[in-house]
Amino acid sequence: ETAVFQTPNYHVTQVGNEVSFNCKQTLGHDTMYWYKQDSKKLLKIMFSYNNKQLIVNETVPRRFSPQSSDKAHLNLRIKSVEPEDSAVYLCASSLMGGPEVFFGKGTRLTVV
Amino acid sequence: GQQVQQSPTSLVLQEGENAELQCNFSTSLNSMQWFYQRPGGSLISVFYNPSGTKQSGRLTSTTVIKERRSSLHISSSQITDSGTYLCAMDAGNYKYVFGAGTRLKVIA
Repeated sequence: ETAVFQTPNYHVTQVGNEVSFNCKQTLGHDTMYWYKQDSKKLLKIMFSYNNKQLIVNETVPRRFSPQSSDKAHLNLRIKSVEPEDSAVYLCASSLMGGPEVFFGKGTRLTVV
Repeated sequence: GQQVQQSPTSLVLQEGENAELQCNFSTSLNSMQWFYQRPGGSLISVFYNPSGTKQSGRLTSTTVIKERRSSLHISSSQITDSGTYLCAMDAGNYKYVFGAGTRLKVIA
């Protein structure tokens, strides 16, 4: 049963637009993540937040900015999307940075 | 940097055959997890397995932390097992590092 909720499921937008993705977890976890999955299914971490504090920022372009209002929410904003941003963005959560991580269903972004 | 190697990259099985998927980690790790993903589907946790052997139905996972490896055994494969199996390591720095996955196709 899903306990990490992402919206929207899909989003199609034009180059240069701004998009925002939302993520909420109901597991009582204190750590949340954003991962990017490309067309080859490769999953790479973008950001980790622990108790609303940014812990990991993996050489992500500046147009990406995470936003956390509380430890149950971690949103992702992309200021000016580019074609290479087309991917599935997966939100996840865990307790204290580990050991077991739970994923949402993902947001598929298509930039045209 | 930290790397996760999965083998094989792809596998085709006849229904009923067994499969052994491997995962090797380049650095020491705290724990690891196996995930399953259907095309266009979400990432589903199959096993959280920091060490030892765990079994769930036809699936068995064995992790040997000291040797930095884990395996996933699928017995009597079914068509519905088709999809991508991903392993990930918890390196203890607030991030999971993923392998590239094993794409499994089970045919009748």
